[in-house]
Amino acid sequence: DAGITQSPRHKVTETGTPVTLRCHQTENHRYMYWYRQDPGHGLRLIHYSYGVKDTDKGEVSDGYSVSRSKTEDFLLTLESATSSQTSVYFCAISDPEGAQSPLHFGNGTRLTVT
Amino acid sequence: RKEVEQDPGPFNVPEGATVAFNCTYSNSASQSFFWYRQDCRKEPKLLMSVYSSGNEDGRFTAQLNRASQYISLLIRDSKLSDSATYLCVVNMFRGSQGNLIFGKGTKLSVKP
Repeated sequence: DAGITQSPRHKVTETGTPVTLRCHQTENHRYMYWYRQDPGHGLRLIHYSYGVKDTDKGEVSDGYSVSRSKTEDFLLTLESATSSQTSVYFCAISDPEGAQSPLHFGNGTRLTVT
Repeated sequence: RKEVEQDPGPFNVPEGATVAFNCTYSNSASQSFFWYRQDCRKEPKLLMSVYSSGNEDGRFTAQLNRASQYISLLIRDSKLSDSATYLCVVNMFRGSQGNLIFGKGTKLSVKP
């Protein structure tokens, strides 16, 4: 399995609080992604990164920001959590071919916003 | 047409059965196609890439039909352990980086 670690695995937080999720990889892959998965919607891309300090928005980026200061770490921040951001969040990586390559996922973070 | 569309199922089949899933996609310029498997409360895992010539991996066969814009996954001799949700994934080539779009998944339940 690809070396991808997400932390925390579970988190419960209150509406309005900031939350940061971490994704750490040991594969030295260029591309990293954050997805959310909700019933009835499947996996949707939030943000992705194609290198250190290079990021771009995905389909559902509102309310989220990301940072990538090192190749191995990709952080997802919810500046002010809302109940609609209750979801399962998956980080993924792909090899230097990026767009042509399959993704490999971390084991997810289950976030509940009360 | 939705970008990537799958029959949600569930497909309930007996052990040993052959089952096929189809997935349609909207962008005729798409170049990369994949099937993923996702177990309940787990992350998606790559099952196989789908090549233009079709490809087989043991009991699993994937095919691509560009003219009709669909990909298929055939599972032969189903096992109980094949029970999972199968996700179709297509690269839609948005912008310069591309973008993999996931279908909502087809649920398979293999019964004894």
